[in-house]
Amino acid sequence: EAQVTQNPRYLITVTGKKLTVTCSQNMNHEYMSWYRQDPGLGLRQIYYSMNVEVTDKGDVPEGYKVSRKEKRNFPLILESPSPNQTSLYFCASSSPAGRTEAFFGQGTRLTVV
Amino acid sequence: KNEVEQSPQNLTAQEGEFITINCSYSVGISALHWLQQHPGGGIVSLFMLSSGKKKHGRLIATINIQEKHSSLHITASHPRDSAVYICAAHFGNEKLTFGTGTRLTIIP
Repeated sequence: EAQVTQNPRYLITVTGKKLTVTCSQNMNHEYMSWYRQDPGLGLRQIYYSMNVEVTDKGDVPEGYKVSRKEKRNFPLILESPSPNQTSLYFCASSSPAGRTEAFFGQGTRLTVV
Repeated sequence: KNEVEQSPQNLTAQEGEFITINCSYSVGISALHWLQQHPGGGIVSLFMLSSGKKKHGRLIATINIQEKHSSLHITASHPRDSAVYICAAHFGNEKLTFGTGTRLTIIP
């Protein structure tokens, strides 16, 4: 079954404690991306990747890092999380960007206290 | 500036009604997505359009490139169509910009 898998689904952490949210897709998609969703602000793009070793900033990249060492994985790293990063996060993939429908992960609800 | 606007923000209708949700964007795009988000939070892609019209079951999406406008239509609406519908546009540089969503409620 074609899918994008995010882990964990829920995470509560403390300010400053590094964390990684994983994202994996099994469709051999070139394009992967991370978004955050906040009430009143909607979905905003954090980072995207056009292919292995190619990443670029979205609209809200501050405080986040990503890497794309393999085509299937695109982890989101928060080196020093802060409360303003409390949000609902989604990973998505498509092949290639804007040419096919996008597949979204189930979402990760992150709370930073 | 790359902007995407949706209307209406909220829409309540009776079961069976024909639904239209609108999306307009500020400059030329390479593609536009229509997404559906149910109360549980998961997001499903309904359509990806670069021109013309697409249809899946009771859902129809159209795009007018000259007018920078897209519409999502739902025929014979049903309570299970209740969700938030989001349009999102690729402004040519592979970044994706989202509208703020339309919350649709279908009353039995």
